[in-house]
Amino acid sequence: DIQMTQSPSTLSASVGDRVTITCRASQSISSWLAWYQQKPGKAPKLLIYKASSLESGVPSRFSGSGSGTEFTLTISSLQPDDFATYYCQQYNSYSPPITFGQGTRLEIK
Amino acid sequence: EVQLVESGGGLIQPGGSLRLSCAASGFTVSSNYMSWVRQAPGKGLEWVSVIYSGGSTYYADSVKGRFTISRDNSKNTLYLQMNSLRAEDTAVYYCARVVSEWNFFFDYWGQGTLVTVSS
Repeated sequence: DIQMTQSPSTLSASVGDRVTITCRASQSISSWLAWYQQKPGKAPKLLIYKASSLESGVPSRFSGSGSGTEFTLTISSLQPDDFATYYCQQYNSYSPPITFGQGTRLEIK
Repeated sequence: EVQLVESGGGLIQPGGSLRLSCAASGFTVSSNYMSWVRQAPGKGLEWVSVIYSGGSTYYADSVKGRFTISRDNSKNTLYLQMNSLRAEDTAVYYCARVVSEWNFFFDYWGQGTLVTVSS
């Protein structure tokens, strides 16, 4: 199975900051990567797919990049609503298993 | 509007069985790939199972042989039959819609249902 490793596990930042979260795959997954945002007690919300495509309705301050084994999620200017946990997910093959990163908690500094 | 509503969670003793339901609206379950994803308390997301539109099913190794995913087309509902439950199956279980056969990520999620396995 493909392992996904996110860093950092926790990130402290302030409103207005630019932040970057990294996700590394244990083998190449081309651009088959999605990013989700999850708030406490809520279901995950899709932000980015195919590494860099923004899901409809997601603010443009969110962006994704990368290919192969290294990927990043960037928030250009943090807003109060962005403090949450972020997960990457690979979907490299046509069949499961698909795997998630362990999550990055973005907290207020 | 697409909606997914899970039900059926609760407290169950180790070794017991439980069936989760996920009622869908705004789209047809049988025309889509549908998955279950779980999240243990304070932990990350773990994919559990998928049913393809053609009916093929796949499971995570951690639940293979104990869980069964199915659907009722007439009710537009997805199910997860969970047998031989263990403490480590304690989690919030989400049903989620897979975007497409070639894009195995999730665009809609239910609100989740909590399963607690404990004596």
